[in-house]
Amino acid sequence: DGGITQSPKYLFRKEGQNVTLSCEQNLNHDAMYWYRQDPGQGLRLIYYSQIVNDFQKGDIAEGYSVSREKKESFPLTVTSAQKNPTAFYLCASSREGGRETQYFGPGTRLLVL
Amino acid sequence: GEDVEQSLFLSVREGDSSVINCTYTDSSSTYLYWYKQEPGAGLQLLTYIFSNMDMKQDQRLTVLLNKKDKHLSLRIADTQTGDSAIYFCASEARGYNKLIFGAGTRLAVHP
Repeated sequence: DGGITQSPKYLFRKEGQNVTLSCEQNLNHDAMYWYRQDPGQGLRLIYYSQIVNDFQKGDIAEGYSVSREKKESFPLTVTSAQKNPTAFYLCASSREGGRETQYFGPGTRLLVL
Repeated sequence: GEDVEQSLFLSVREGDSSVINCTYTDSSSTYLYWYKQEPGAGLQLLTYIFSNMDMKQDQRLTVLLNKKDKHLSLRIADTQTGDSAIYFCASEARGYNKLIFGAGTRLAVHP
């Protein structure tokens, strides 16, 4: 079964804590993306990666970090510098960067304790 | 900057047609997309249209594109309760590797 998996489904963060959201794809896609979704709003791009060992900031990268050590994995760390982390986080991938259709994972909901 | 706008809510009776509208500002967008999101889930790609097309039909879904007015619509024929969800319109952004999403239209289907 090809697809994108995200874990965990729910994640709780304490004040001052860094947490890491997992995103894995077995579609052999080169490009991967992280979006944040807030209620009543569209998706906003946090980071994207067109190829292994390379990534670029999106529109709201502050307080987040990523790595792309393997083609199939693109973990997102929400650092303590992100003051309003409560949101639904969506990972996506596409065959190539640029004009290629993006496919989404099921999402991780992050809540602050 | 680039922007995509959608009405936030649409209510239809089961069996009727639904029409969800979207306007976008980036005239250089090559592809325009419709995604569906069910509660607590990720986005599911429904369909997309290439900018040199006026219309695309896929079973119960019809996409109309008016490039001059930068207006995109999604028509769902014979709307069913399973179509209740949030529908997102997205356009490519100038600057590559980026989709601009509207805020989403919540479709409610009632008997």
